[in-house]
Amino acid sequence: DAGVIQSPRHEVTEMGQEVTLRCKPISGHNSLFWYRQTMMRGLELLIYFNNNVPIDDSGMPEDRFSAKMPNASFSTLKIQPSEPRDSAVYFCASSVAGAGNTIYFGEGSWLTVV
Amino acid sequence: GDSVTQMEGPVTLSEEAFLTINCTYTATGYPSLFWYVQYPGEGLQLLLKATKADDKGSNKGFEATYRKETTSFHLEKGSVQVSDSAVYFCARNQAGTALIFGKGTTLSVSS
Repeated sequence: DAGVIQSPRHEVTEMGQEVTLRCKPISGHNSLFWYRQTMMRGLELLIYFNNNVPIDDSGMPEDRFSAKMPNASFSTLKIQPSEPRDSAVYFCASSVAGAGNTIYFGEGSWLTVV
Repeated sequence: GDSVTQMEGPVTLSEEAFLTINCTYTATGYPSLFWYVQYPGEGLQLLLKATKADDKGSNKGFEATYRKETTSFHLEKGSVQVSDSAVYFCARNQAGTALIFGKGTTLSVSS
């Protein structure tokens, strides 16, 4: 079975450039999450969607970050303009909505902004 | 606010040693509790979970029991292997919320 699919796996970009990270959740899952992982701050929830609707975006760092989920099988996280402090691993995850249900993670997009 | 606190690492053990990684949580109500594991260069994988008080989650020799009275979900394994070297994350969620993670504990097992 296909898991959560993220692209790109690795990206190196220059400061000021736009970065778009993509995610395909597991088929049948109706909750989608974007997390960011850094050494300093650990795993932070950026935003999550239920049935394609953003539920909680309080973790989005600032206006440079935006996320969309145009349909049940696709989501994007965009950073514009990017800054060196955005360098991190960005994880997408999905689940069937419900407190005890397992959340499945993709392998992450490793972003370096120079 | 609601949070998850787990012991600071790194934890360094010899093969076949006993492992405990402490985890406590704060939450309103009764959350579900999880342990995830992250191997180098990979995403997080569910290791085990418990959805109500006194439940014990277990997998691959690891165990954790949901203790409501102490708001804890400590991870244990009786005999660790080199292949268990990874970062372990405790997490909780409740209906209508996303997973909230602890900061992670790095385990290093040497032969």
